[in-house]
Amino acid sequence: AQSVTQLGSHVSVSEGALVLLRCNYSSSVPPYLFWYVQYPNQGLQLLLKYTSAATLVKGINGFEAEFKKSETSFHLTKPSAHMSDAAEYFCAVSGGNTGKLIFGQGTTLQVKP
Amino acid sequence: DTAVSQTPKYLVTQMGNDKSIKCEQNLGHDTMYWYKQDSKKFLKIMFSYNNKELIINETVPNRFSPKSPDKAHLNLHINSLELGDSAVYFCASSQGTGLNQPQHFGDGTRLSIL
Repeated sequence: AQSVTQLGSHVSVSEGALVLLRCNYSSSVPPYLFWYVQYPNQGLQLLLKYTSAATLVKGINGFEAEFKKSETSFHLTKPSAHMSDAAEYFCAVSGGNTGKLIFGQGTTLQVKP
Repeated sequence: DTAVSQTPKYLVTQMGNDKSIKCEQNLGHDTMYWYKQDSKKFLKIMFSYNNKELIINETVPNRFSPKSPDKAHLNLHINSLELGDSAVYFCASSQGTGLNQPQHFGDGTRLSIL
């Protein structure tokens, strides 16, 4: 069975600092992984996805993630945080050919001025 | 244009009532989903329809009944509402059920049970 674990329910960074949000996965088959962002009172928006084409995946808003099979990780990074990045971030793994997504617990990103 | 739209955005009602949430997508997708997000922001799949056929039904109480009149619509009816049903319900859609298909989410329906 597939699962994801997000380390750190709350991450706080200063504006301009590096953002690092951690996600580890468990999967019995090659995983398909996603990062979504949720702004207050909104739905989830896709940031990026890993589908085995390349281990370093670039997404929207300057975010990127690196798939590391040896570490079963798919951490999300951004070189320089903006105030507008403050939101809830979810890592997810595809749960099979039904389209089901299995989400991690979410990480709240706070950006301080 | 809103890609996945849900109505209502907010729903406040009393325990024991029956209510419905509607979802429509204009992306031309053939697969639609309902997710529940609890107070701790944990997201869990409830149902999924592909071409109007139910393909996911995740141990949800049978008070919850989804209905897909066509590929662009997926509604959720809830009977005998309970306090534990208070949550945000998200509708989503995708093109197919392939492993790499991203899902597009609506803005959610915030259900509060008094």
